[in-house]
Amino acid sequence: EAGVAQSPRYKIIEKRQSVAFWCNPISGHATLYWYQQILGQGPKLLIQFQNNGVVDDSQLPKDRFSAERLKGVDSTLKIQPAKLEDSAVYLCASSLPQGGNYGYTFGSGTRLTVV
Amino acid sequence: GEDVEQSLFLSVREGDSSVINCTYTDSSSTYLYWYKQEPGAGLQLLTYIFSNMDMKQDQRLTVLLNKKDKHLSLRIADTQTGDSAIYFCAERGPQGGKLIFGQGTELSVKP
Repeated sequence: EAGVAQSPRYKIIEKRQSVAFWCNPISGHATLYWYQQILGQGPKLLIQFQNNGVVDDSQLPKDRFSAERLKGVDSTLKIQPAKLEDSAVYLCASSLPQGGNYGYTFGSGTRLTVV
Repeated sequence: GEDVEQSLFLSVREGDSSVINCTYTDSSSTYLYWYKQEPGAGLQLLTYIFSNMDMKQDQRLTVLLNKKDKHLSLRIADTQTGDSAIYFCAERGPQGGKLIFGQGTELSVKP
């Protein structure tokens, strides 16, 4: 099965600019997650979608970050305006929604550098 | 609250066993996971254990879970240079399904 696709792979922007990341989850996976991984740290959840509804966005800095998942498939994560501390790898993951040990599959991530 | 702690570094010689430790705080966690991350790559699921188990073995990997102490460990037998990577412990609670990750343990395998 195809994995979780993310683009772009790398992005360098100046502070105060805006940037968008795209994620295409595994077909049939209703749950989609965006994680932020700062260098030297573990991934931290930014937002979780179930189909196209938000389940958890408690850690999303809503003054500058936004995310959407139209039609319950692809998702975009946007930062506007970017700050230096937003430099990180942004990981997208998807999973089946219910019960048991549903597997989480991670994409390769988008490495963002804000200068 | 939710918190996962790991030691930051581990160095072993090729052929030795590696043991990576993790502690977590959420006693309602249902599953606990070990992920591997190589430089520039995403997260690769290595293995997982359900919270009602105390041990799981999968080829060179052995996971031990002590629920009373909220302690999880990953043992890698016959460690190879290809095992050099960062290893993340993660817990999943009973609701929502999100994973809470530790800060990662960097494993260095010397020939």
